[in-house]
Amino acid sequence: DAGITQSPRHKVTETGTPVTLRCHQTENHRYMYWYRQDPGHGLRLIHYSYGVKDTDKGEVSDGYSVSRSKTEDFLLTLESATSSQTSVYFCASQTGMDTEAFFGQGTRLTVV
Amino acid sequence: LAKTTQPISMDSYEGQEVNITCSHNNIATNDYITWYQQFPSQGPRFIIQGYKTKVTNEVASLFIPADRKSSTLSLPRVSLSDTAVYYCLVGDPIKAAGNKLTFGGGTRVLVKP
Repeated sequence: DAGITQSPRHKVTETGTPVTLRCHQTENHRYMYWYRQDPGHGLRLIHYSYGVKDTDKGEVSDGYSVSRSKTEDFLLTLESATSSQTSVYFCASQTGMDTEAFFGQGTRLTVV
Repeated sequence: LAKTTQPISMDSYEGQEVNITCSHNNIATNDYITWYQQFPSQGPRFIIQGYKTKVTNEVASLFIPADRKSSTLSLPRVSLSDTAVYYCLVGDPIKAAGNKLTFGGGTRVLVKP
């Protein structure tokens, strides 16, 4: 399997605090993605990156920002966490759209 | 981006073949069709990808008709461990900016003993 890791794996935080989730890949993949998944729902794209410093919004980007200063790292930031952002977050990476994407193990975030 | 439509759920029994059809009526010329599998509490895992006709690997087969407006994932002789959610995706491998790996709702497959 491709080397893609997420940190932390679990986090509980209070409403209004900033939170940063990290996705790290060792495969030199060009594309990276952040998704959230809620009970009974599929994966919804938050933000994605198609290169260093090249990012764009997905379908549920409000309240989230991202940064990619290095090929291997894609950071997801919740500037001021809200209870509606309680979810499981997955990151993924791939070389190109005609290649398979590899997913991390997920981060379970609880905002209380 | 081509939108995909899949059945919400399907039930099957061990040893049977499971076929999941995905509709993508507005698929573009350069779009590939990709299927992923997701088990509970895990990230999705790539199963198979194709452009046209038929693709087969050790896990599944993918059938794509000539008009490419739909595709069918075929899982031969399923076992209990094939119980998962299966996602169909359509995307252009050539474009960079604006090209997103977007998942639909997926099909929840339950394999019964």
